[in-house]
Amino acid sequence: NAGVTQTPKFQVLKTGQSMTLQCAQDMNHNSMYWYRQDPGMGLRLIYYSASEGTTDKGEVPNGYNVSRLNKREFSLRLESAAPSQTSVYFCASSSPGTSGKQTYEQYFGPGTRLTVT
Amino acid sequence: GQSLEQPSEVTAVEGAIVQINCTYQTSGFYGLSWYQQHDGGAPTFLSYNALDGLEETGRFSSFLSRSDSYGYLLLQELQMKDSASYFCAVVYNFNKFYFGSGTKLNVKP
Repeated sequence: NAGVTQTPKFQVLKTGQSMTLQCAQDMNHNSMYWYRQDPGMGLRLIYYSASEGTTDKGEVPNGYNVSRLNKREFSLRLESAAPSQTSVYFCASSSPGTSGKQTYEQYFGPGTRLTVT
Repeated sequence: GQSLEQPSEVTAVEGAIVQINCTYQTSGFYGLSWYQQHDGGAPTFLSYNALDGLEETGRFSSFLSRSDSYGYLLLQELQMKDSASYFCAVVYNFNKFYFGSGTKLNVKP
């Protein structure tokens, strides 16, 4: 049981390049999320997917696209990277809870550290 | 929109008790969560409150007052390993999350 995995762990891009961040979870969760975290800041929601086949914008969606490929996988694409997108990107999945008690616990991947020059 | 306020930094000594407050303004509020994040690591879940009152999990407790739009995380018997950032996060509109900017806790010997 690997939990939430993300690839790559580190990436350096030049302005204008594109790339896709991959995320997968093996906990059979319906909901998945992409966040960015800038130094000394909290997490800001980029996009989320409440279930397979659905996606919705979060607080900061501009410059990003997502694909919920199946229940396990949720990818984040930067079509034309900009220095303002330099950040740590976290993927998370969520379960409402178990045994009748809802906790909305989010499980986070290890993060991708992206630098755009 | 959503807004959350929590102190940016708190310092306490080993063995002491510390309280980290969080006030929020949220539409579609479901509950308040707390997460811990060590430097360079990923956030990990600590607690969730949907109803008013205190939830206790070992040395950590979390409190919510929905009428006051206020919650806190209480850490008892502080240990050096508790030095980390602590984030409150509101759960709203069923499965959306909004995180605060975090409180950096420094535990001194």
